[in-house]
Amino acid sequence: QKEVEQNSGPLSVPEGAIASLNCTYSDRGSQSFFWYRQYSGKSPELIMFIYSNGDKEDGRFTAQLNKASQYVSLLIRDSQPSDSATYLCAVQPGGGADGLTFGKGTHLIIQP
Amino acid sequence: DAGITQSPRHKVTETGTPVTLRCHQTENHRYMYWYRQDPGHGLRLIHYSYGVKDTDKGEVSDGYSVSRSKTEDFLLTLESATSSQTSVYFCAISETGTAQGTQYFGPGTRLLVL
Repeated sequence: QKEVEQNSGPLSVPEGAIASLNCTYSDRGSQSFFWYRQYSGKSPELIMFIYSNGDKEDGRFTAQLNKASQYVSLLIRDSQPSDSATYLCAVQPGGGADGLTFGKGTHLIIQP
Repeated sequence: DAGITQSPRHKVTETGTPVTLRCHQTENHRYMYWYRQDPGHGLRLIHYSYGVKDTDKGEVSDGYSVSRSKTEDFLLTLESATSSQTSVYFCAISETGTAQGTQYFGPGTRLLVL
């Protein structure tokens, strides 16, 4: 059973601080890793994807991947109240058209 | 936003009734997916399609069937709805099905089975 684990939170972070979201996965053959943001009552919205070990930066967001440790993280710098949402980690198995395996999500609250 | 629409957006039905949900895309993407989202379970894959008339089962396919007769439409049918199928259903599309295929989600359908 392929699993993706996230701390459900809530994770409370002061405005302007760095929010750190973590995710571990069980399928060592996984090749693609995604972070989605989901506001209450809305659909998941892609924030970032990462395929290679290391860091990938996009604006205030940095995704980090360590395949040896089977660990993915998302850092949000200069956190804003609008970043308050549930963040979903998703993993795609190697090759093919298989769907994504999602974690249950981490609820992030940015305190003004 | 990716050109994905879902219909209906909200539906209330009774146990034992057949229900069909529609996903329509204007992106001409080859791959389409149906997920359900429930509290405590996260998003789970129901079925997916890798082309017209080409479909396969996901993690939670029991009680569901799908059809794809055109590239742009992917239908999800609950043959005989049960209360356990009360959920939010999301359709997703992907341009490629490879390891680098990013999926984009539709707005969702809220289904309540009484």
